Amino acid sequence: DIQMTQSPSSVSASVGDRVTITCQASQDIRSWLAWYQQKPGKAPKLLIYGASTLQSGVPSRFSASGSGTDFSLTISSLQPEDFAAYYCQQADRFPLTFGGGTTVDI
Amino acid sequence: QITLKESGPTVVKPTQTLTLTCTFSGFSLTTTGVGVGWIRQPPGKALEWLAFIYWDDDKRFSPSLKSKLSISKDTSKNQVVLTLTNMDPVDTATYFCAHLGVIRGAVTHYFDYWGPGTPVTVSS
Repeated sequence: DIQMTQSPSSVSASVGDRVTITCQASQDIRSWLAWYQQKPGKAPKLLIYGASTLQSGVPSRFSASGSGTDFSLTISSLQPEDFAAYYCQQADRFPLTFGGGTTVDI
Repeated sequence: QITLKESGPTVVKPTQTLTLTCTFSGFSLTTTGVGVGWIRQPPGKALEWLAFIYWDDDKRFSPSLKSKLSISKDTSKNQVVLTLTNMDPVDTATYFCAHLGVIRGAVTHYFDYWGPGTPVTVSS
């Protein structure tokens, strides 16, 4: 199985901060990576697919990059509604696997 | 507009079989390229992919759970059913169903629409 390692596991930030989360795959997954946002008690929401393509309706303050084994998600200016957990997911090979998550809190 | 919703028991006993139903709208599982998957999340933990089923009835399962999972679809009811046998307390989780994204006509393994999830507790 491809292991997805996210860091940090949690980050404390303030409104307006720039926040970057990283995700490392244990094998080359090309650009088959997605990022999801999950708020407490809610379902995950797809933010990014194809490692860097913004899903329709997602604010442009979210951006992502990477290929191969190293990926990152950046929130350029943190807004109050961005405090949540973020997960990466590889879609290159079965079984599909998710990272352990990063919580962004105040 | 695509929507999905999970339903099923909130509590099951150890060794019992859990049956969950995903009822969806806004798409059809008879359309080429369409798929529905199941993902679970134990309390306070990360997401874990379980299975999915495609429009052509092809199925994929998590190898670690393959022996206890089955998945089927009822296209007339717009439903996908997931069954987990021999439930154990470690299977306590919120179970989500989700639509597989289609990009430029090709099926992907990204989940672009999710149901709200249904919590399941395994306890005697």
